[in-house]
Amino acid sequence: QVQLQESGPGLVKPSQTLSLTCTVSGGSISSGGYFWSWIRQHPGKGLEWIGYIYYSGSTYNNPSLKSRPTISVDTSKNQFSLKLSSVTAADTAVYYCARVSGRGNPYDWYFDLWGRGSLVTVSS
Amino acid sequence: QSVLTQPPSVSGAPGQRVTISCTGSSSNIGAGYDVHWYQQLPGTAPKLLIYGNSNRPSGVPDRFSASKSGTSASLAITGLQAEDEADYYCQSYDSSLSGPLFGGGTKLTVL
Repeated sequence: QVQLQESGPGLVKPSQTLSLTCTVSGGSISSGGYFWSWIRQHPGKGLEWIGYIYYSGSTYNNPSLKSRPTISVDTSKNQFSLKLSSVTAADTAVYYCARVSGRGNPYDWYFDLWGRGSLVTVSS
Repeated sequence: QSVLTQPPSVSGAPGQRVTISCTGSSSNIGAGYDVHWYQQLPGTAPKLLIYGNSNRPSGVPDRFSASKSGTSASLAITGLQAEDEADYYCQSYDSSLSGPLFGGGTKLTVL
């Protein structure tokens, strides 16, 4: 079955760029039919959507994060990645990658598979 | 700022029925967008519990059910079990955000 696994540094300095990769196993990102997403959870808090990407490279990002997130895909490695620039302590969170399911339009999409999460701490 | 409001906590004894509400607005649930629910067991990633307002993925017990009406949705858990102790989140699309929006989460305690 399809599984997702996040990887990346657990500690990032303020003002630097956070970088995470999600490796998808058991299925091909480029087979289509799904968007892929990043979601984060601040310590002891709720969930915040960061953005989506399709294997073609089409992306949608959370406008509240301004232009800081960049989500990319590498179909040759069956991976998609998140870069979040100019981080502050407020970006300390567990970052999850997830598969998006649902009908054709984004209005009904939901997250049917999740990675285990990767804790990223922003601190000097 | 768009929000989906959930009660911070609910509790129930084993075998009982509990409900968790999710209240939105005209830019999300009230606009007719689907509501989905997730269960997050302690120390683990969220897991899809209900999609499309009332549909259970394969493997989710029928003790879990959900409904939507107007600007609100609710999750019901019957025959409460100790293993149901977790955080529960609702999610819908929000037109102001132009993306998915999560509720603040509800911690279920099984007494």
